[in-house]
Amino acid sequence: DIQLTQSPSSLSASVGDRVTITCRASPSMNRNLNWYQHKPGKAPKLLIYTASTLQSGVPSRFSGSGSATDFTLTINGLQPEDFATYYCQQSYSTPWTFGQGTKVEV
Amino acid sequence: EVQLLDSGGGSVQPGGSLRLSCAASGFTFSNYALTWVRQTPGRGLEWVSSISAGGGVSYFADSVKGRFTMSRDNSNNTFYLQMNSLRVEDTAIYFCAKWAGAAAAGTGYYFDYWGPGSLVTVS
Repeated sequence: DIQLTQSPSSLSASVGDRVTITCRASPSMNRNLNWYQHKPGKAPKLLIYTASTLQSGVPSRFSGSGSATDFTLTINGLQPEDFATYYCQQSYSTPWTFGQGTKVEV
Repeated sequence: EVQLLDSGGGSVQPGGSLRLSCAASGFTFSNYALTWVRQTPGRGLEWVSSISAGGGVSYFADSVKGRFTMSRDNSNNTFYLQMNSLRVEDTAIYFCAKWAGAAAAGTGYYFDYWGPGSLVTVS
């Protein structure tokens, strides 16, 4: 199974900050890495797929990069509605696996 | 607008059974694989199962294999997760989700739409 390790597990940030979340894959994979945003009591939301493609309707302040073992989600100019937990997920091989999540707090 | 609405969660004793349903709308239901993902405090998000667009192929996580089954009704735009022999560790919020491809194990795709989740408590 592909293991995904996110860092940090949580972070504190302010509105307007640039936030970077890292997802490390083991073993190495291709670019089939996706990012989701999840708020308590709500449905998770797809942000980015295949490492860097922005899902339709997602603000351009979200961006993704990386390949093989190291992937990054960046939020440029954090907004109040961005405080949530973010997960990476791989679709390189079954079983599909998720990172443990990164909680972005005020 | 794509919508997924899951239902059927509740409380059950260990060894019991429960069936979750997910009603879908806003897309051509029979063209896409469908999935269940669960969230637990200790293990975060965990993929549980997937079923192909035609319903003929399904996959399960090792943790539920042999106990859970998945089915879909393409005439009614609804899919199901039958959970048998439930264990305490199956306690979770269960999300139904649409897969962006037709094949249940199609690589390179993603969970593009999710339901709000149903709480299953095994105690």
